[in-house]
Amino acid sequence: DAKTTQPTSMDCAEGRAANLPCNHSTISGNEYVYWYRQIHSQGPQYIIHGLKNNETNEMASLIITEDRKSSTLILPHATLRDTAVYYCIVWRYGNKLVFGAGTILRVKS
Amino acid sequence: GAVVSQHPSWVICKSGTSVKIECRSLDFQATTMFWYRQFPKQSLMLMATSNEGSKATYEQGVEKDKFLINHASLTLSTLTVTSAHPEDSSFYICSADSRTSGAWGTGELFFGEGSRLTVL
Repeated sequence: DAKTTQPTSMDCAEGRAANLPCNHSTISGNEYVYWYRQIHSQGPQYIIHGLKNNETNEMASLIITEDRKSSTLILPHATLRDTAVYYCIVWRYGNKLVFGAGTILRVKS
Repeated sequence: GAVVSQHPSWVICKSGTSVKIECRSLDFQATTMFWYRQFPKQSLMLMATSNEGSKATYEQGVEKDKFLINHASLTLSTLTVTSAHPEDSSFYICSADSRTSGAWGTGELFFGEGSRLTVL
């Protein structure tokens, strides 16, 4: 079973920041938080991952709470192309990668 | 970044035939590959974990004799849907772990583009 819970859907205005929350209260100390997204009829695309420090790359930022029980993916300037299903996953090497239901993000002009 | 390629992207077959889907890691070696199935408007459902040189580990409810998985090399895993029926029509996706060591810690899982199977 998935170890994360996410809102079913969210809307975001184009050009604004999209903040996608994720709860993972049962995360283990050696599990990382990963974010992927899936655009219709394509394979999931890796976005970012982190252990306990905040992370940033060219696509997004990941903010992980100090107790690691929740995190937020931030897309700083959402575009229409960011409309997708976003999956938050906790995983470490050697384990199964299990997907939850994800959040449908709709970016609107 | 690392690339995982699936082939074919889509396939249509008659009921009762078998279909093979290939998953290749193009620029890295993958000791572990995962196979998923996704029905419309649903999330990815893990079918099995494939380890190079050993038998695949299937999730509960997945028939190992129907979904044959072979991981003969570090860059190739195959999923064969045997005696396919219309209810097997789905989007099949593989992923490969880019790490080659067995240490703790991070790794990146890269996903193929998916293979859409339609069984008539």
